[in-house]
This record gives sequence, C-alpha cells and structure tokens, in this order.
Amino acid sequence: DAKTTQPNSMESNEEEPVHLPCNHSTISGTDYIHWYRQLPSQGPEYVIHGLTSNVNNRMASLAIAEDRKSSTLILHRATLRDAAVYYCILRGALNSGGSNYKLTFGKGTLLTVNP
Amino acid sequence: DTGVSQNPRHKITKRGQNVTFRCDPISEHNRLYWYRQTLGQGPEFLTYFQNEAQLEKSRLLSDRFSAERPKGSFSTLEIQRTEQGDSAMYLCASSSTGSNTEAFFGQGTRLTVV
Repeated sequence: DAKTTQPNSMESNEEEPVHLPCNHSTISGTDYIHWYRQLPSQGPEYVIHGLTSNVNNRMASLAIAEDRKSSTLILHRATLRDAAVYYCILRGALNSGGSNYKLTFGKGTLLTVNP
Repeated sequence: DTGVSQNPRHKITKRGQNVTFRCDPISEHNRLYWYRQTLGQGPEFLTYFQNEAQLEKSRLLSDRFSAERPKGSFSTLEIQRTEQGDSAMYLCASSSTGSNTEAFFGQGTRLTVV
C-alpha cells in the first residue's frame, strides 16, 4: 500500500481556517486521496476524496498538488466539533481489482480546536 | 436508514470466554468490512465481505476469530477463547458498489478482556 505522512498533531483556534497537510510521494496514477476523520468515541467518518483536481464539499476542501505527491485538507472555519483525528488515505479505484476496497489507516493528525 | 449499527457498544468479558458482536450495515450496501482499533492507533483491516462471500481475511485474524454474513445482510464477528490482547474497539463499515464510494462506519464495539 502506498503510504502517507501526516503531522501527529495540529492546533487551531475556533472560526479560523485549518490546513491539514499530507505527503504521499509514492502515490500511483490511479490512487485516489481520501480523508476520513474520527471524533472521540466515534467510528471514522468520510470527509472528502479526490484524484487530481481540487474538490469542495459541505465539510471541507481538498487541495491536491500538481504532482499529486501532497495534498491539503482545508477546513474553512474550524469549530469545536471539528476536533478529531484526521486520516489521509490512498486507495486505488474500486473497479481496478486487487484489494482496493479496504482503507489502510495510519495514525492520522490529531486536531485540537481552541475556543 | 440510521446508518451502520453495532451491538453491543461495550463488552467486558473474562479471559477465555467467547464473545460475538453484531453489525447491521446500511441496507442495500453489499460491501461490509470489519476493522480493529487499539488506543492511539488507526483502525486496522480485519476482513471484507461482498454480499455473503468473505473475500479477504487479514493475517491479523487468528483462528480464534470468525466472521459471517449470512444472506448478505447483517454480519457477526466471533472471538473464541478471548485473550487480553483482544481488547480493542471493533469497527464495522459498509459501502455500496461503485467506482469509489465512501465507507460508512458504525460506532464500534469496545471489548475489554479482564
């Protein structure tokens, strides 16, 4: 599995933007970049995913570097409810065979949001 | 549909006892996954079902572990002769068929072996 590297922890203030980085220098051309987050005492929750172009949804934005070797999850205005562990995961397309259906989690980034 | 449901939420058992956990996926999701998570670590993949067929088992899953998904609906994960090292959060997730669909996770079953 292609690996990702994330900082162990980050801190933010409420209502400020947060940029969570992820390095994935060994990404292959067919790997999608997925982000999940896990709130305390909860199962992981899907946040966003992308392949090459930047992506936006109601939860966050995903900025993907031109060479795809890194990406950044952007929370535009952090709230206290955004405090969680954020996981950056690479996964191949599900219809390309192999074991692409499973998610391989690292340790993620623990985001603390200060009031 | 209220999402992926797991029961029980917590289980305390004595070493050597058998335990069984249940997962009810989102209806119509044909893919179902079990993961295990220990403190400070990300979830680790255990096994995967597509409909009723168990298509992959991780090397983490010893012979004491067995999972089933009869009729391709709910799934059970059984641990026989539990050991203290089995203490963890057991997470179930489901997803639909598609080129790159998201996985929906349950809240997990926290197992404590004493």
